[in-house]
Amino acid sequence: QSVLTQPPSVSGAPGQRVTISCTGASSNIGAGYDVHWYQQLPGTAPKLLISGNTNRPSGVPDRFSGSKSGTSASLAITGLQAEDEADYYCQSSDSSLSGSEVFGTGTKVTVL
Amino acid sequence: QLQLQESGPGLVKPSETLSLTCTVSGDSISSSSYYWGWIRQPPGKGLEWIGNIYYTGRTYYNPSLKSRVTIAIDTSKNQFSLKLSSVTAADTAVYYCASRRGIGYSSVGIDYWGQGTLVTVSS
Repeated sequence: QSVLTQPPSVSGAPGQRVTISCTGASSNIGAGYDVHWYQQLPGTAPKLLISGNTNRPSGVPDRFSGSKSGTSASLAITGLQAEDEADYYCQSSDSSLSGSEVFGTGTKVTVL
Repeated sequence: QLQLQESGPGLVKPSETLSLTCTVSGDSISSSSYYWGWIRQPPGKGLEWIGNIYYTGRTYYNPSLKSRVTIAIDTSKNQFSLKLSSVTAADTAVYYCASRRGIGYSSVGIDYWGQGTLVTVSS
């Protein structure tokens, strides 16, 4: 049902850089809607990690960064740490669904 | 700092109506700054947006759930609610209430979330 596609999993050793892609379409990311990213630690509610494609809310480490181009967006984690092991979701809106909020399929980040 | 807390039955029978309430503290639900809404997550699966409501009562629903969903606001209690009718096992999920300071092209993300409440649909 998700209209934004993410890789199911990515992994990296501590200190490495990993990226998560979020692929959409001309009716959502490509239509100019901003992309937001959330981190969900096990058993907890999602937390806003990146707002408006590239902006980090207060308290979010600068190891996390976001970008957007065309119909896709990406989240990068540099200097991977053990506490970054979590599920990550992208989110946008979709004009073909009456402006509905849409989420990505989710990506599990594993720290090796 | 906004705080949101879900409440409601944790078990609902098939074909019945799921009802949840979200109590807001830290600001007035009548504030023009926020859109209030519900998101759910089936066990082991991803997030699904259910719908939003503005303080004026204007609602926005996921087209796939629209025929079964009602979101309402109670300004006297600083609460908003979710009703989902004719539930099946597929509606078993953790239900989150949440707030955001804009939608569509004005969206800046969903910045406040409740802790979530598990609702199981079973006889």
